[in-house]
Amino acid sequence: AQSVTQLGSHVSVSEGALVLLRCNYSSSVPPYLFWYVQYPNQGLQLLLKYTTGATLVKGINGFEAEFKKSETSFHLTKPSAHMSDAAEYFCAVSDSNAGNMLTFGGGTRLMVKP
Amino acid sequence: DGGITQSPKYLFRKEGQNVTLSCEQNLNHDAMYWYRQDPGQGLRLIYYSQIVNDFQKGDIAEGYSVSREKKESFPLTVTSAQKNPTAFYLCASSTKRQGFSPLHFGNGTRLTVT
Repeated sequence: AQSVTQLGSHVSVSEGALVLLRCNYSSSVPPYLFWYVQYPNQGLQLLLKYTTGATLVKGINGFEAEFKKSETSFHLTKPSAHMSDAAEYFCAVSDSNAGNMLTFGGGTRLMVKP
Repeated sequence: DGGITQSPKYLFRKEGQNVTLSCEQNLNHDAMYWYRQDPGQGLRLIYYSQIVNDFQKGDIAEGYSVSREKKESFPLTVTSAQKNPTAFYLCASSTKRQGFSPLHFGNGTRLTVT
């Protein structure tokens, strides 16, 4: 069965610092991987996705993620945090063995200090 | 603009009452989904529908019911059988099975049952 683990339910960074949100997945077949962002009292928005091809994926708002098969990871990064990046971030995985349904991680709340 | 509309944004009910949450989309998407979000648990799938007049149970369907009489609409009823109904409920849609195409989310309904 597929699963997703997001290390750190809360991450705090200073404005301008590197953002690193960790995601590890478990899947028995090549996965599709997604990062979503949720602002308070709103739905989720897609940041980026990996399906096939280039392992470094660029998304919106300056975020990117790298698919590392050997490490079963899909960590989300941004070189310089902005106050507006404060939100909750969800990693999700799907694979054909699970009927291509998404499994979400527990989420990581990113706080940005001025 | 196309999107997903969930109403109401906040809903308060007494224990023992059924309540229906509305979800309407004008994206012409075939598939629609209901998720429940609780702090620290990510999103859990309640029900989904890939075509009109058909729907399937997700991981936590007990105490919930849905209908899909129109492509645009996928209402969720939280019945009195749901033991812990207080939560944030998110409706989503996609063009095809969610593992391949990204989910589009509504802004959620926060249900409080006392």
